Parts: sequence; C-alpha cells; structure tokens
Amino acid sequence: EAGVTQSPTHLIKTRGQQATLRCSPISGHTSVYWYQQALGLGLQFLLWYDEGEERNRGNFPPRFSGRQFPNYSSELNVNALELEDSALYLCASSWALEGEQFFGPGTRLTVL
Amino acid sequence: GEDVEQSLFLSVREGDSSVINCTYTDSSSTYLYWYKQEPGAGLQLLTYIFSNMDMKQDQRLTVLLNKKDKHLSLRIADTQTGDSAIYFCAESKSGGYNKLIFGAGTRLAVHP
Repeated sequence: EAGVTQSPTHLIKTRGQQATLRCSPISGHTSVYWYQQALGLGLQFLLWYDEGEERNRGNFPPRFSGRQFPNYSSELNVNALELEDSALYLCASSWALEGEQFFGPGTRLTVL
Repeated sequence: GEDVEQSLFLSVREGDSSVINCTYTDSSSTYLYWYKQEPGAGLQLLTYIFSNMDMKQDQRLTVLLNKKDKHLSLRIADTQTGDSAIYFCAESKSGGYNKLIFGAGTRLAVHP
C-alpha cells in the first residue's frame, strides 16, 4: 500500500511570492492534515480537510489556505511568503475522523 | 490548556533499554501517540494508546500511560543504532478537533 506522498520535495521561493504544496493521501483515507515544522517552533497544526471541507484550522494567518479535491488529494497555498515561513510542511492522512494519522515525507520550503 | 512536554535529549548504550517520557495537560485527550523522525524525513507512526488503557506492548516497544499524573512513556527494549532519531509524543482529542498537539521531541542517541 502506497503511503502519503507530497510534492515537491524542496521548494525555493523569494519573499512575497506564492507557494503551492501538494499531498496525496493513502488510498481510502478521506481526511488530510497539514502541519508546519519550523526550526525552534516544533510541529504545529495548520489545517484539516475532510470530504472536501475545511474542518479545523490552526493559529495561522489567512494567507495560509488550502483545499481538498474530490479524489481527496490536497493543496496547501501560502501567499505573500515571509522569511519565517521557511519550514518543513508535513501532510498526514487518516481513514476516519478520529483515526491515526500517517505522515508523508514533507516538503521543505525555503523563503529567501 | 494544550501542552505536551518532553525532555530534549537521551543517550543510551546499544543493547540497553531506552525510556522516553512525556507529560500532557489536557485530560480530555483520547489518543496518545509516539512518532519517530529520522533526519530529513517525515514522521513515522510507531504506536498509540487509547486513553482508557494503561499499557500497550508491540514487539520492542512498550507504552505506559498514567492518567492520574498525565504521564506517558515509551520504552524501547534492546536499543539499536537504527533507533537513533527524534521521538515525538502527541495527543489528540475527540469531538471534531482532530489536530495533534506535539511535544518538542526527544533526540535519542545510541552509542556502541
């Protein structure tokens, strides 16, 4: 069974640009989660999507947004990039609303 | 409130047992998880325990939960060099919240 996949592996942007990160969940999983792992800040919850709807949101500004497609894959968009957005962005999926979350390898975003 | 705390570093000799500790503050947590992160990689789900359990064993891993003290531990028997990684404790709650709250991670170093 294929795990959670994320693309791209690395992404380099400059301040003010937009970044788009993609995630494909494990087959059969309907929930997708996004987390940010920034140096010194640890792992922080960003967004949760289930059945195409945003279900919960962490304490991040509105320039962090996303969506979930009918095939349950998801996209995270970060607008007006700031230097402190540099981090590893991890996607996870689960098969049920309260199932255990399985993580992908992450996308490392560097903002110059 | 939501807070998960872990010690930051643990060094053990190969073949010894490792015990990684975690405390959490939210008594409404339903699931408690242990994840492993190797350098440059995403998070690997090691094991989890439901809040109505006291202990769970899975091969070399033993999880102990003390609900009264809100203390969780992960014991790794016969620790190997391949166990060197960062170990994260995380809690989640039911009721539609579904986000994981992570500790800062414990870096386990295994030496010969």
